[in-house]
Amino acid sequence: NAGVTQTPKFQVLKTGQSMTLQCAQDMNHEYMSWYRQDPGMGLRLIHYSVGAGITDQGEVPNGYNVSRSTTEDFPLRLLSAAPSQTSVYFCASSPGGGPRGYTFGSGTRLTVV
Amino acid sequence: QKEVEQDPGPLSVPEGAIVSLNCTYSNSAFQYFMWYRQYSRKGPELLMYTYSSGNKEDGRFTAQVDKSSKYISLFIRDSQPSDSATYLCAMRVGGGSYIPTFGRGTSLIVHP
Repeated sequence: NAGVTQTPKFQVLKTGQSMTLQCAQDMNHEYMSWYRQDPGMGLRLIHYSVGAGITDQGEVPNGYNVSRSTTEDFPLRLLSAAPSQTSVYFCASSPGGGPRGYTFGSGTRLTVV
Repeated sequence: QKEVEQDPGPLSVPEGAIVSLNCTYSNSAFQYFMWYRQYSRKGPELLMYTYSSGNKEDGRFTAQVDKSSKYISLFIRDSQPSDSATYLCAMRVGGGSYIPTFGRGTSLIVHP
């Protein structure tokens, strides 16, 4: 199994450009989340989904959109990139409750110039 | 004050030392407690998972939860240079969206 796959691994955007960060999991997990990780700030939740067709905002949702049309895929869209969105983005998935944590992807390093 | 507090370090220890990593929290509803390990330029990986209070051991790693003090610990025995990484604690309530709250992570350096 591939687990959680994120593409691209690296991206440089110009201010104002839009793009989509892709995330796919092959574990049939119900729960999926997007985090950004910045030095000294830890992991901050952007958006999450508890199943296909259901999404909700996390701690830092502004400037980002998500949708969940299938169980496997959870893309993150940057609407109009800003330098403040320079960060490392992680997608994660979980089967849900009980003693099970999240499985993370390897991350997308995004630089906005 | 953040819900989960974790000293960012770095914590530098010699090979073979016993390492203690800690987190404190303020939400008494947290029931599930996790430790993740993150190597440089990689995604976090789940290391240990405990429910409620008590200890859990897995090889050289022991996770400890003290709900009365709202304090959790991860002990690493016989630390190795390969243990050098950032360790993030995470915790969540029993139901709801199952979204964990993460600490900021502690950077651990084990030198030969």
